[in-house]
Amino acid sequence: NAGVTQTPKFQVLKTGQSMTLQCAQDMNHEYMSWYRQDPGMGLRLIHYSVGAGITDQGEVPNGYNVSRSTTEDFPLRLLSAAPSQTSVYFCASSYGVSGRPNEKLFFGSGTQLSVL
Amino acid sequence: GEDVEQSLFLSVREGDSSVINCTYTDSSSTYLYWYKQEPGAGLQLLTYIFSNMDMKQDQRLTVLLNKKDKHLSLRIADTQTGDSAIYFCAESYNYGQNFVFGPGTRLSVLP
Repeated sequence: NAGVTQTPKFQVLKTGQSMTLQCAQDMNHEYMSWYRQDPGMGLRLIHYSVGAGITDQGEVPNGYNVSRSTTEDFPLRLLSAAPSQTSVYFCASSYGVSGRPNEKLFFGSGTQLSVL
Repeated sequence: GEDVEQSLFLSVREGDSSVINCTYTDSSSTYLYWYKQEPGAGLQLLTYIFSNMDMKQDQRLTVLLNKKDKHLSLRIADTQTGDSAIYFCAESYNYGQNFVFGPGTRLSVLP
């Protein structure tokens, strides 16, 4: 009964370092997405994917890369971390059945990232 | 672009009703949602309403949708201290391909 699993829970980086935030879901969801949460700004969409091999940009994609080689995994890469990327990151997934609108998102527990 | 707005804070006394309000801009929204976030946790879906409905009730929760005014509200009856959390309003559009979240309303329940 794992749902959406994110690792790590906490991470501290220095400016310029790279890292990958992991996200995995075991619900056979087609749709997966990454959000960042900043105080007073709610959640902003970074990237999303509607299926393996398909990704697209969200509202704030700059500085982040994604790939979707399997249905289960959707990693988020920071190639050169900047202090502006200090945030809490959430992965979310949904059924995304073809021909039907996504009904609801299932969220991971989040990764708190600090960039010094 | 699409936008969702909410007030940032709400305080109520335990046992009173809480009403959290939200406005949105996209008239083609498919679903509208209320999510709850407790400290240090991810968002959990509380309830959602299809855009052709006016009201949905689920135990202590009542969702009202006014499509004309693009206004969504969440009423929590008999609010308890365990209801203290951040509540996010959200809409889906583009046939559910995309979701837009409001900034969240922090509900504080006072004993």
